[in-house]
Amino acid sequence: KAGVTQTPRYLIKTRGQQVTLSCSPISGHRSVSWYQQTPGQGLQFLFEYFSETQRNKGNFPGRFSGRQFSNSRSEMNVSTLELGDSALYLCASQTSPVLETQYFGPGTRLLVL
Amino acid sequence: SQQGEEDPQALSIQEGENATMNCSYKTSINNLQWYRQNSGRGLVHLILIRSNEREKHSGRLRVTLDTSKKSSSLLITASRAADTASYFCATDASGNAGNMLTFGGGTRLMVKP
Repeated sequence: KAGVTQTPRYLIKTRGQQVTLSCSPISGHRSVSWYQQTPGQGLQFLFEYFSETQRNKGNFPGRFSGRQFSNSRSEMNVSTLELGDSALYLCASQTSPVLETQYFGPGTRLLVL
Repeated sequence: SQQGEEDPQALSIQEGENATMNCSYKTSINNLQWYRQNSGRGLVHLILIRSNEREKHSGRLRVTLDTSKKSSSLLITASRAADTASYFCATDASGNAGNMLTFGGGTRLMVKP
């Protein structure tokens, strides 16, 4: 089976712009979670989707949003980018609605100038 | 916010030696997982231990869990240069709706050949 894929892998944006990141889970996986990783805050949970429903949201401002499509692919959007949004954004998928092993993609590295 | 703290933050050993990393967390959990990350890339799942388990082995890895002390340790035996990476513990807090991992700050392991 192909692993979790994330596109794009690298992205450079300027403050005030918006960005959309995409995640394709492993085939058959219905849960997709998003995490932000920064040197200062470490790995932080953004949100999780299961069967197109957001079940959990981390402590991030409303500029961060996401969605999941019927094929389980997920996108996250960040509007009005700030310098502090520069980070590695990781997506993870799993089959079960109950937390088990999560399989992570390679991440999208976002740089905001 | 991070659930766990990891100790040490950095560890440097010679090839063939054992490496021990510790993780402490704050709330009751369903399970605890360990992940490895190479140079800011995606996370690779190593092992999952449930709250009713005390010890688990996988190849050269040994994980212990002490729920009374809210702590876990990861032992890598006979380390290799390829084990050089950052290691994270992640917890699934009991009572969480959905799949949400809370990560520790990580231990950076360097194995010198």
